[in-house]
Amino acid sequence: KNEVEQSPQNLTAQEGEFITINCSYSVGISALHWLQQHPGGGIVSLFMLSSGKKKHGRLIATINIQEKHSSLHITASHPRDSAVYICAASHFGNEKLTFGTGTRLTIIP
Amino acid sequence: DTGVSQDPRHKITKRGQNVTFRCDPISEHNRLYWYRQTLGQGPEFLTYFQNEAQLEKSRLLSDRFSAERPKGSFSTLEIQRTEQGDSAMYLCASSLAVNEQFFGPGTRLTVL
Repeated sequence: KNEVEQSPQNLTAQEGEFITINCSYSVGISALHWLQQHPGGGIVSLFMLSSGKKKHGRLIATINIQEKHSSLHITASHPRDSAVYICAASHFGNEKLTFGTGTRLTIIP
Repeated sequence: DTGVSQDPRHKITKRGQNVTFRCDPISEHNRLYWYRQTLGQGPEFLTYFQNEAQLEKSRLLSDRFSAERPKGSFSTLEIQRTEQGDSAMYLCASSLAVNEQFFGPGTRLTVL
């Protein structure tokens, strides 16, 4: 069983819809990362959080440490948001990332 | 461009050949990570450097794999006697101490 689980694996939505991607992890972490990967492979870090909530533009990330769960929300989704979104966990004393398998998001105009 | 760079971006090789990839981290980032990503999967950790010291290696990193960061700046990842199962995207990331990691564009390896 992967330490980091994501759902859904695939998500297709209409432009303008509110998007939620979920991530759960099984062991204690130092931080939870949300990453975006476009076709071609490049990965961009969206958020790194260890508690509470962070917001950047239309993107919001939340984490519940007690429940070992994080969510990534996209408001007013747009076709350019289409990408694979990956959550990853880093651990105390060793900052390597353990990744989920990703959520492929497709926003239809 | 001051981001993480990787070279080459694509490599096609025949089974049994050796390949070497290079990663140039963001200047002054003391931590450098190598990850491997196969199709449809999330990346997996391979190895990690703090300055020039290789602090951890995954058991995914067989004896055919070796990584170096000789002066604590750029890093190389060499795969000897490549196998078809080595076909993947090899990603490098760097960070400054305990902080978010910045990823390079990756090197896509295809072993025929």
